[in-house]
Amino acid sequence: DAGVTQSPTHLIKTRGQQVTLRCSPKSGHDTVSWYQQALGQGPQFIFQYYEEEERQRGNFPDRFSGHQFPNYSSELNVNALLLGDSALYLCASSLDREAWDTEAFFGQGTRLTVV
Amino acid sequence: DAKTTQPPSMDCAEGRAANLPCNHSTISGNEYVYWYRQIHSQGPQYIIHGLKNNETNEMASLIITEDRKSSTLILPHATLRDTAVYYCIVRVLNTNAGKSTFGDGTTLTVKP
Repeated sequence: DAGVTQSPTHLIKTRGQQVTLRCSPKSGHDTVSWYQQALGQGPQFIFQYYEEEERQRGNFPDRFSGHQFPNYSSELNVNALLLGDSALYLCASSLDREAWDTEAFFGQGTRLTVV
Repeated sequence: DAKTTQPPSMDCAEGRAANLPCNHSTISGNEYVYWYRQIHSQGPQYIIHGLKNNETNEMASLIITEDRKSSTLILPHATLRDTAVYYCIVRVLNTNAGKSTFGDGTTLTVKP
């Protein structure tokens, strides 16, 4: 079992560009959550996808959007990149939103640098 | 969710108990105290949670004061692998934990 897989691992983009990050959940998991973690800070919840729909959203602007595919994999898209979007982006998968505590698996993250 | 306050960093000698404090003075009656940790370059890992009674599992013990305004996570015999950032969060039980907001946590460094 490959666990949660994120790609790419590192990415450098220019301010104003758009970026797409990808996440494949752990086998058997159907819920995917995305987080932004700035250097030295805790992860901040962006949104959560279940049954191909955005179910919950954190306090992030509309520049952050996502998608979940029928195979439960997910994408995070960020438009009009700002320098402040530089962070580690984490994806977590779980089978049940209420069992997140003990059943969520995290990927290794994508390190996005905006220059 | 109620706000929590934690010291930014702590050191602990290997083999000794690590006691990590957390203040949550605005906690509501139906909010639980949760602890997670994040080892470098990995996602947060659930450790333990409790409402008002002390809790213990294979990883740690959680001591919650009687007024529930603060708590302490205890790692009884810290090892080098316990070096991580520890987050204290308060939230209602069985709400969507995935949308928890993590603060800046306490960086625990276990030294040989």
